[in-house]
Amino acid sequence: KQEVTQIPAALSVPEGENLVLNCSFTDSAIYNLQWFRQDPGKGLTSLLLIQSSQREQTSGRLNASLDKSSGRSTLYIAASQPGDSATYLCAGGPGGNDMRFGAGTRLTVKP
Amino acid sequence: EPEVTQTPSHQVTQMGQEVILRCVPISNHLYFYWYRQILGQKVEFLVSFYNNEISEKSEIFDDQFSVERPDGSNFTLKIRSTKLEDSAMYFCASSESGGLGELFFGEGSRLTVL
Repeated sequence: KQEVTQIPAALSVPEGENLVLNCSFTDSAIYNLQWFRQDPGKGLTSLLLIQSSQREQTSGRLNASLDKSSGRSTLYIAASQPGDSATYLCAGGPGGNDMRFGAGTRLTVKP
Repeated sequence: EPEVTQTPSHQVTQMGQEVILRCVPISNHLYFYWYRQILGQKVEFLVSFYNNEISEKSEIFDDQFSVERPDGSNFTLKIRSTKLEDSAMYFCASSESGGLGELFFGEGSRLTVL
């Protein structure tokens, strides 16, 4: 059974800093790894999807990588802004429809 | 930009009452999902739906739950007899290509059972 863990649970950084969020999973037979952003009381906004055959994806200031052999994914945020403050969730799926979510990293970017 | 829409945004109900949560998935998507998030806990998979039938369901999705696509646009989650522990945010999601594709979520329906 796939378990997804995110470290750290919370992170506070000054504006402009580059930062890395970590996601680890127990079953290397992961097929997709997707990163989401969740603002308080809101839905999940898809940020990046990395499929099994890919190692990384980039969108603007965001870069996500996937290393299936070590069971890890990272989300890199460059030049962080206060508007990046949110909870970041990673979710992994075995190729079926049951995506397993981590508990999230709550990011605060201070002006 | 296409989006998944959910109604109601918040519903309060008495224990034992039936609740229907509604979703309009993105129009060209073929795979539909319900997830839930109890306050302070992880997002959990409930059920996936494709080609007018359930394709997968979790152990949470017991006989009290049902899903339906009553027409070409709506996708509903029914909870037959709500319990206190059903209080959660319920998210609908859709995908163009099932387990291979990107999941797009709605804003959620907050269910409070009293």
